Amino acid sequence: DTGVSQDPRHKITKRGQNVTFRCDPISEHNRLYWYRQTLGQGPEFLTYFQNEAQLEKSRLLSDRFSAERPKGSFSTLEIQRTEQGDSAMYLCASSPRTGSYNEQFFGPGTRLTVL
Amino acid sequence: DAKTTQPPSMDCAEGRAANLPCNHSTISGNEYVYWYRQIHSQGPQYIIHGLKNNETNEMASLIITEDRKSSTLILPHATLRDTAVYYCIDRPGNQFYFGTGTSLTVIP
Repeated sequence: DTGVSQDPRHKITKRGQNVTFRCDPISEHNRLYWYRQTLGQGPEFLTYFQNEAQLEKSRLLSDRFSAERPKGSFSTLEIQRTEQGDSAMYLCASSPRTGSYNEQFFGPGTRLTVL
Repeated sequence: DAKTTQPPSMDCAEGRAANLPCNHSTISGNEYVYWYRQIHSQGPQYIIHGLKNNETNEMASLIITEDRKSSTLILPHATLRDTAVYYCIDRPGNQFYFGTGTSLTVIP
């Protein structure tokens, strides 16, 4: 257990529904990252925050994906109008500092299945 | 986007050293090389990182070539619990780019 928690751990939804995932980072970490991982592939970077500021979001997969970190603590990732291709593991990570060294601590992930 | 290359799979006998290679020929001078591993159905776990010197910690050793174009992760005495996918990552800026990694199987 790295101290990063994600909720829910599993989500099954029907195509077209909206889903929201939550990530709680290690409390003193100011950076938070979201990744997506499909079967047989490594994690794919989506976006990251430094405190409440979203510093990189160009790699979000489409405008159906959005993320927030309103108070610089927990974060949510929302997928609107889900598609079957959105089925994947969604991983959150946090890191404690800026600069050249950046160890990321990953949560257990939320597995999304879109029917 | 991943700029590292790793063999897709490797086997290692339990108790022997596992040597996992990585090619990162396009790495720039100030980019660290990171190694993570992912055990089935879990989030990735940090192992070690380095810039240009060899590094060792309680989990592994990292050998980086002098030209920094490749590195080798060494698990000195592999156990069955080391069976996982191992990722070699470079980090341009604040993003990690994972490739498909090396699936290491430790054989009893």
